[in-house]
Amino acid sequence: GAVVSQHPSWVICKSGTSVKIECRSLDFQATTMFWYRQFPKQSLMLMATSNEGSKATYEQGVEKDKFLINHASLTLSTLTVTSAHPEDSSFYICSATQGGTGNQPQHFGDGTRLSIL
Amino acid sequence: DAKTTQPPSMDCAEGRAANLPCNHSTISGNEYVYWYRQIHSQGPQYIIHGLKNNETNEMASLIITEDRKSSTLILPHATLRDTAVYYCIVSDHTGNQFYFGTGTSLTVIP
Repeated sequence: GAVVSQHPSWVICKSGTSVKIECRSLDFQATTMFWYRQFPKQSLMLMATSNEGSKATYEQGVEKDKFLINHASLTLSTLTVTSAHPEDSSFYICSATQGGTGNQPQHFGDGTRLSIL
Repeated sequence: DAKTTQPPSMDCAEGRAANLPCNHSTISGNEYVYWYRQIHSQGPQYIIHGLKNNETNEMASLIITEDRKSSTLILPHATLRDTAVYYCIVSDHTGNQFYFGTGTSLTVIP
């Protein structure tokens, strides 16, 4: 149980393109979803937290107009990288949790590798 | 910011127990300790979590010191497939956000 699916797993696109990444909880309802970014040989960096039906909360230094997050249902959140540039190339990972209390583990997707040419 | 510190790397012989330490000296009373691992180019995999009591599941055991300032993840019989980066995470006061530290790169040696 507690499977999180991310799509696409890999995308290459030209500079200036907008790219949408989907994150789905397949067998549970995710009240909260999270988006992370990971550069090579580095740890995961939390970008934003989203709760279903409300605006995402972005971490300091993350541009909300650059990284648009929509959490329209209890099983789907999307991250759109707008007008992507080579410096946005990274490994983007989502996670989901069933509850907002401190004892619910986050379940992670397998990530999306984004390469901007 | 991450509230944990871990050694950057460790080796363990195949079949032996792997003991991975983590310091979280500023942990608050209602914050949980979580352990995840990440194999190259995959998302982190949940291993175990706990508040103050020791925990065990089919993957590992978690030993938390009485003062809760440190913990140890134990993989009882390490296999080559356990080679990964292991992250110890303390949830923030709301119980939501995870701030990953640098983790421990565990290499299981044949």
